[in-house]
Amino acid sequence: GAGVSQSPSNKVTEKGKDVELRCDPISGHTALYWYRQSLGQGLEFLIYFQGNSAPDKSGLPSDRFSAERTGGSVSTLTIQRTQQEDSAVYLCASSRVGTSLNEQFFGPGTRLTVL
Amino acid sequence: GQQVMQIPQYQHVQEGEDFTTYCNSSTTLSNIQWYKQRPGGHPVFLIQLVKSGEVKKQKRLTFQFGEAKKNSSLHITATQTTDVGTYFCAGPEGGTSYGKLTFGQGTILTVHP
Repeated sequence: GAGVSQSPSNKVTEKGKDVELRCDPISGHTALYWYRQSLGQGLEFLIYFQGNSAPDKSGLPSDRFSAERTGGSVSTLTIQRTQQEDSAVYLCASSRVGTSLNEQFFGPGTRLTVL
Repeated sequence: GQQVMQIPQYQHVQEGEDFTTYCNSSTTLSNIQWYKQRPGGHPVFLIQLVKSGEVKKQKRLTFQFGEAKKNSSLHITATQTTDVGTYFCAGPEGGTSYGKLTFGQGTILTVHP
């Protein structure tokens, strides 16, 4: 079946502009995660959605970042008034919940460049 | 908050040599996962360890989970060029068995032919 998809694959924007990044998780996966990976660095947790529960937003670095998940499926990460330090690869992952295996399936990421 | 540390940050080996990366968590983990990220790619799940002292093997890869469930290791025997990439360990936060993962910084493995 299809894996996690993300769009766009690349986004170049000017400082101060808003951007929207999209994630389509694997069908049937109730958990969805956003991570950020700067060049050569590890994965920084941003936000976690699980079913109808309130999202865990504890990783969002500032109030310029927000995310929503509609219908328990597609998610959009929005960055307002982008800054150069926002440049990174934004990775989305999804997983099943309720099984003993908690594997997260990652999408290919969106590479964001803020000029 | 929970911290997961990995060492070494970089490892350069000649093809055929062995490789080990170590992972340490500041808190006890319900499970630990390992992921591999090829250059230019995204993380791909390798394995999950759950039990104290657990050892699992996948061909040339051997994974261990410490007795205290706070540390883990990945050992690759006789590395090949296809092993190149970054290896991450990750554990769920707050003693839960699922949910958001705290990732180590990763070990970047380079294999020279």
